[in-house]
Amino acid sequence: DAGVIQSPRHEVTEMGQEVTLRCKPISGHDYLFWYRQTMMRGLELLIYFNNNVPIDDSGMPEDRFSAKMPNASFSTLKIQPSEPRDSAVYFCASTPHQGGEQYFGPGTRLTVT
Amino acid sequence: QKEVEQNSGPLSVPEGAIASLNCTYSDRGSQSFFWYRQYSGKSPELIMFIYSNGDKEDGRFTAQLNKASQYVSLLIRDSQPSDSATYLCAVRTYSTLTFGKGTMLLVSP
Repeated sequence: DAGVIQSPRHEVTEMGQEVTLRCKPISGHDYLFWYRQTMMRGLELLIYFNNNVPIDDSGMPEDRFSAKMPNASFSTLKIQPSEPRDSAVYFCASTPHQGGEQYFGPGTRLTVT
Repeated sequence: QKEVEQNSGPLSVPEGAIASLNCTYSDRGSQSFFWYRQYSGKSPELIMFIYSNGDKEDGRFTAQLNKASQYVSLLIRDSQPSDSATYLCAVRTYSTLTFGKGTMLLVSP
């Protein structure tokens, strides 16, 4: 398997623009997680899905952030409108079962100017 | 609020020495404990996990857990320059992980 796939790897955008990050989990993994990593706050869980259903979105910072998982092989994290404080590395991770090892994608480095 | 605390470092050790990385957590209901390694510009990768009190060894790595003290540690024996990275402690409660901010380890040749 290719592992968790994320795109784009780098994104530079201007404040106010919409940003969409994409993730393809490992096939057969029922859980998908979106994280954000910054120097100040470390690695924070934003939202996670089980069998394509959002289970806990309490980590989503505000209404500008939304996430979807329309099928077992694809998820998106959208920021609209983006702000400079959203600049971070966004990771997607998946695991086959509750409590299992989480496999991380390569991340998307987002810069909002 | 679940908290996982780590010393940010850097922890500097000479090649061949033992590196000791520590982590404390606040949630007594935490069920399992993970150590991830993250190289600069890369994604976290799992090194070890531990569920029960005591020690768990895997090659040069030993994880130690003391639930009464809410303390987890990672020992790296015979440290190599390639071990230089940030080590993230993660604590699991049900389906989610809470990560510490990581300790940077520098192993000098």
